Amino acid sequence: ILNVEQSPQSLHVQEGDSTNFTCSFPSSNFYALHWYRWETAKSPEALFVMTLNGDEKKKGRISATLNTKEGYSYLYIKGSQPEDSATYLCAFDGGSQGNLIFGKGTKLSVKP
Amino acid sequence: DVKVTQSSRYLVKRTGEKVFLECVQDMDHENMFWYRQDPGLGLRLIYFSYDVKMKEKGDIPEGYSVSREKKERFSLILESASTNQTSMYLCASSYTGGDGEQYFGPGTRLTVT
Repeated sequence: ILNVEQSPQSLHVQEGDSTNFTCSFPSSNFYALHWYRWETAKSPEALFVMTLNGDEKKKGRISATLNTKEGYSYLYIKGSQPEDSATYLCAFDGGSQGNLIFGKGTKLSVKP
Repeated sequence: DVKVTQSSRYLVKRTGEKVFLECVQDMDHENMFWYRQDPGLGLRLIYFSYDVKMKEKGDIPEGYSVSREKKERFSLILESASTNQTSMYLCASSYTGGDGEQYFGPGTRLTVT
């Protein structure tokens, strides 16, 4: 059974703090690693799709890194804002017909 | 603007009822997926389909069936709803040959009483 682990489960930070969370995944049969943001009452939306070992992607204040050899990815948020409050999901793609295996998510709350 | 829509945001059904959850995407995607999301368990795959009339079981197919008669529509069927099927149901679609990004619908919160 393939397992995708995310930590921490939840995080409370103050506005302006920088933060990061971890996703660990199987290091074999790797095809891609996805990060999604899921805001309350909205649909999950893709942040990044990462495929190459050493990949680093950035979107505004959010960035992500990928290490496929050891099976982990970090998501960083610089200068957190209240609108960053959401659940951040990572998903492992082993190349099997587009199926993704999701972690349980990290719920981020940013207090103004 | 890409779109995945689900027939209801909230649904309340009684135990034993047959329940249909509909999902429609307008992106001409080949792949469609049904997940359920429960607190502490994350998104779990129920069924998926990679083409019209094709279906594959996911991790938790028991108690569910699906139908894909048209490319844009993927239906999840609860033959006889039970209280343990109370959950948030999410539909998603993706393009074969793309980077695998899935586009999600807004979800249906189903309560079975």
